[in-house]
Amino acid sequence: DPKIIQKPKYLVAVTGSEKILICEQYLGHNAMYWYRQSAKKPLEFMFSYSYQKLMDNQTASSRFQPQSSKKNHLDLQITALKPDDSATYFCASSPDWGGANTLYFGAGTRLSVL
Amino acid sequence: QEKVQQSPESLIVPEGAMVSLNCSFSDSASQSIWWYQQHPGKGPKALISIFSNGNKKEGRLTVYLNRASLHVSLHIKDSQPSDSAVYLCAVRRGSNYQLIWGSGTKLIIKP
Repeated sequence: DPKIIQKPKYLVAVTGSEKILICEQYLGHNAMYWYRQSAKKPLEFMFSYSYQKLMDNQTASSRFQPQSSKKNHLDLQITALKPDDSATYFCASSPDWGGANTLYFGAGTRLSVL
Repeated sequence: QEKVQQSPESLIVPEGAMVSLNCSFSDSASQSIWWYQQHPGKGPKALISIFSNGNKKEGRLTVYLNRASLHVSLHIKDSQPSDSAVYLCAVRRGSNYQLIWGSGTKLIIKP
């Protein structure tokens, strides 16, 4: 059974709309992350949270807003969608933030913006 | 800004062969280097990490780190068709501990 659940698996949106990507982890981890993987580009770090507190934000645009309602939830709200936002968005978690912690990834949400 | 370069871009080998994947990074102060495996439609899965100069072996995997030459390699012994995947090298550095990723090597093991 997958321990990190991302919903939906596929998402198609129109330019200018807003979408929320869902992530829940059942590994008992204290840190959660969002990464983005665009075609032919390396994985790109977006946000990290520890105990529901934002630790690091490497996303230049305020259109991307993480939301943590519980320690094991970290959703990603994306507003005013653009075609350039098309990518696979991965949620990840680790036992604790920082240091030598191994990252565990979900299967991703593939977003296509038309 | 740390840069991580992987080579080759793709590799096809027969089943049972030894596989060698390369990764170079730009900052000798990098704290640790990780190798992840990613199958199509899945998220990356951690395979092995190394922090100190030298080598580390886990099962069929061996990783070599040379900080002086800013190079790390992953070797897979007795390759299996299930090893077919994209292999990602990631380097961790800085106070935020975030990983900087390479673009990956696509490995195909032919039965």
